[in-house]
Amino acid sequence: EPEVTQTPSHQVTQMGQEVILRCVPISNHLYFYWYRQILGQKVEFLVSFYNNEISEKSEIFDDQFSVERPDGSNFTLKIRSTKLEDSAMYFCASSRDRGVTDTQYFGPGTRLTVL
Amino acid sequence: GNSVTQMEGPVTLSEEAFLTINCTYTATGYPSLFWYVQYPGEGLQLLLKATKADDKGSNKGFEATYRKETTSFHLEKGSVQVSDSAVYFCALSDRGANSKLTFGKGITLSVRP
Repeated sequence: EPEVTQTPSHQVTQMGQEVILRCVPISNHLYFYWYRQILGQKVEFLVSFYNNEISEKSEIFDDQFSVERPDGSNFTLKIRSTKLEDSAMYFCASSRDRGVTDTQYFGPGTRLTVL
Repeated sequence: GNSVTQMEGPVTLSEEAFLTINCTYTATGYPSLFWYVQYPGEGLQLLLKATKADDKGSNKGFEATYRKETTSFHLEKGSVQVSDSAVYFCALSDRGANSKLTFGKGITLSVRP
């Protein structure tokens, strides 16, 4: 069964450094998402992406964040200058459609630790 | 805006006990409703969903019915197993342009033998 994959599974970085989190969505999916989950808190929406542009972003997704689909398979989340509060589990998701029957399929997540 | 409220946890049950996890929602419009499960060390997996009022989603012995009148989507299972130990998230997706998911806080279920 097709699945969403994410790399790395765990990333440790120093505050102020740039990180890129990578995702490979399911191959025939058209809509892509990033969510994050700070330890012990809710899973929060960050951004949705379709047709090579951002469809919607939350207030968390400020100028330090960017997303890109650099080729036909990868979908990346970049944090330019990490802060301590960016430490979280980041989940990528994809869906084939966004109609009433669409389902978002999630990857296993990347745990980001900012020191 | 949209929101999802789940009952406070954690929940600990003995094997073969009956499970109910409450979920209520607030939404503008007519959302789709989901239960996702997160097993230890893994990502979020869709457990079941319902897209309209009175629909019942079911999977792996779990069921939830979309109740528009009470804005609820409670998860039930008649007989839990140790392997059901996980974190359970209720979520909704609005039917607007982007279908982002809004999640509840999640509840940890532990099933003891």
